[in-house]
Amino acid sequence: GESVGLHLPTLSVQEGDNSIINCAYSNSASDYFIWYKQESGKGPQFIIDIRSNMDKRQGQRVTVLLNKTVKHLSLQIAATQPGDSAVYFCAENRAGTASKLTFGTGTRLQVTL
Amino acid sequence: DSGVTQTPKHLITATGQRVTLRCSPRSGDLSVYWYQQSLDQGLQFLIQYYNGEERAKGNILERFSAQQFPDLHSELNLSSLELGDSALYFCASSPRTGTNNSPLHFGNGTRLTVT
Repeated sequence: GESVGLHLPTLSVQEGDNSIINCAYSNSASDYFIWYKQESGKGPQFIIDIRSNMDKRQGQRVTVLLNKTVKHLSLQIAATQPGDSAVYFCAENRAGTASKLTFGTGTRLQVTL
Repeated sequence: DSGVTQTPKHLITATGQRVTLRCSPRSGDLSVYWYQQSLDQGLQFLIQYYNGEERAKGNILERFSAQQFPDLHSELNLSSLELGDSALYFCASSPRTGTNNSPLHFGNGTRLTVT
């Protein structure tokens, strides 16, 4: 069933291409950032995280870039596959908030064949 | 599978009623978080418990309450339900309270429909 907002920005990518999903955050005190993937009918699934003392981190087919100067976070997915179709959320942990994550509004990734 | 279990998966009830949502965290996790996801609000933090004690409160209505039991499972109680309470309710868990940042692991949620 539908589990996310009606008016999400949507990114359409052809299978095999690279995807870049962007996220802006506003709190300069945020020190920890996470990307989640949410498929229809499921809960958010952890993809990758990054701490504020880093500007890049790589996982399997995914890379997160953090630009603290402009408060911007991006998720790069290499060789996008149909199974990557989902809504992607960035989340930030503001210092001193006991791991309470604040989520962005999400981006829907559609992978076309 | 995140290891976080939520029951029930679906709940349909009438306005004015009270419901209880249940969450079992991942084995070994001491912190439990509750989030609400509605179509127009995204994921909103409600409340956090750590080892049985409330640690942080977010946008949780007074009609809502939660608790974490000695076995670390948690329940979210929603009372005097209104149509606007219809949403997905997610539970998440993490090993610690936040002294070291760690990702939250989410269950698959309870879809609440208030008619």
